Amino acid sequence: TQLLEQSPQFLSIQEGENLTVYCNSSSVFSSLQWYRQEPGEGPVLLVTVVTGGEVKKLKRLTFQFGDARKDSSLHITAAQPGDTGLYLCAGVSGGTSYGKLTFGQGTILTVHP
Amino acid sequence: EAQVTQNPRYLITVTGKKLTVTCSQNMNHEYMSWYRQDPGLGLRQIYYSMNVEVTDKGDVPEGYKVSRKEKRNFPLILESPSPNQTSLYFCASSVEPPGQGFVYEQYFGPGTRLTVT
Repeated sequence: TQLLEQSPQFLSIQEGENLTVYCNSSSVFSSLQWYRQEPGEGPVLLVTVVTGGEVKKLKRLTFQFGDARKDSSLHITAAQPGDTGLYLCAGVSGGTSYGKLTFGQGTILTVHP
Repeated sequence: EAQVTQNPRYLITVTGKKLTVTCSQNMNHEYMSWYRQDPGLGLRQIYYSMNVEVTDKGDVPEGYKVSRKEKRNFPLILESPSPNQTSLYFCASSVEPPGQGFVYEQYFGPGTRLTVT
């Protein structure tokens, strides 16, 4: 079973601060996704990264896929209370694991006004 | 409206009493999957289905069964629930299975909170 380790597990910051969430693995992933989940709801896709070294921006969120496709990061600039939620990374390794999607354990982000 | 629906949303049951959680999607997606979510463990895949009559085990299949007789439905069956199956369950679907080169967006249902006493 491929493992995705997310860090930190909990993050509590003030509005306006910057933060970075990391997603690391010893396995190579063909592509990696980031989801955001709010209480009482299912996860919602934020972004998919496919190419090693790829950087994608979504307003104040910046996503990066590592060159070796074993790690990814999510950086939020000037966090706002609306960014509060659970952030999950998910990857697929393909090959014999075709069809299996592995999730990290998640990062609970709380942004205080 | 494109969506994944799950029923029931909340269920409290006793050990050993068989139960089924239904999942249905209206997007004609080929791929469907069941996950359980536990604090500190993220989402763990229970079973997935590439298409009708094609199902396979995920990372935590013990104690669960699934079937895919129709494209839109993918029920999760607990033949003899135990307290360690108390969890939040999510069904998800995507247009194609995740595979080499690309992972399509997974659309998640609203979740089913199951308590087994």
